[in-house]
Amino acid sequence: NAGVTQTPKFRVLKTGQSMTLLCAQDMNHEYMYWYRQDPGMGLRLIHYSVGEGTTAKGEVPDGYNVSRLKKQNFLLGLESAAPSQTSVYFCASSSGLVYGYTFGSGTRLTVV
Amino acid sequence: AQSVTQLGSHVSVSEGALVLLRCNYSSSVPPYLFWYVQYPNQGLQLLLKYTTGATLVKGINGFEAEFKKSETSFHLTKPSAHMSDAAEYFCAVREGDYKLSFGAGTTVTVRA
Repeated sequence: NAGVTQTPKFRVLKTGQSMTLLCAQDMNHEYMYWYRQDPGMGLRLIHYSVGEGTTAKGEVPDGYNVSRLKKQNFLLGLESAAPSQTSVYFCASSSGLVYGYTFGSGTRLTVV
Repeated sequence: AQSVTQLGSHVSVSEGALVLLRCNYSSSVPPYLFWYVQYPNQGLQLLLKYTTGATLVKGINGFEAEFKKSETSFHLTKPSAHMSDAAEYFCAVREGDYKLSFGAGTTVTVRA
């Protein structure tokens, strides 16, 4: 039982390049989330989804897009990467807030 | 709106000493409260949670927390620190029906 799997684990991008981060969960969870973690700022919500085909903006959505075409996958895209997007990105999933979240192991992204 | 305040970004304790991490929250709905732990270069793991019922909740690795409605607090404690408790700890509160809001985190260092 893999839980929440994020790929890739590490990536270095040049300013202006694009990339997609993949999150996959095998727990049949309805809700999925993308957070970024920066020192001293905790976790900030980028986008989230409450079901297949739905997405919603979080606290810091600018510069990112998401898609949830299949229930088990949640993709985070950066169309034109900027140094300010250097961060650790975490995906999480949940079957309901009463249970909390299950987190992936993170993607460390550096934009140079 | 919901928010979480963790008092102290860094806590240093001696091995065998009490660990106390403070969390205060604001919430316009009955709170669901969580503590997560993050070891270096890993994702977040659920330590414990309060949703309803008993206000003193026990979690993994000997941690416990008490929900105090009158003080809007959910402080995390462990009677005797172990070297393996060195990590970053996050308090979280539910925000509406679908999201959690996280505190900025507290880094725990354990001195031998």
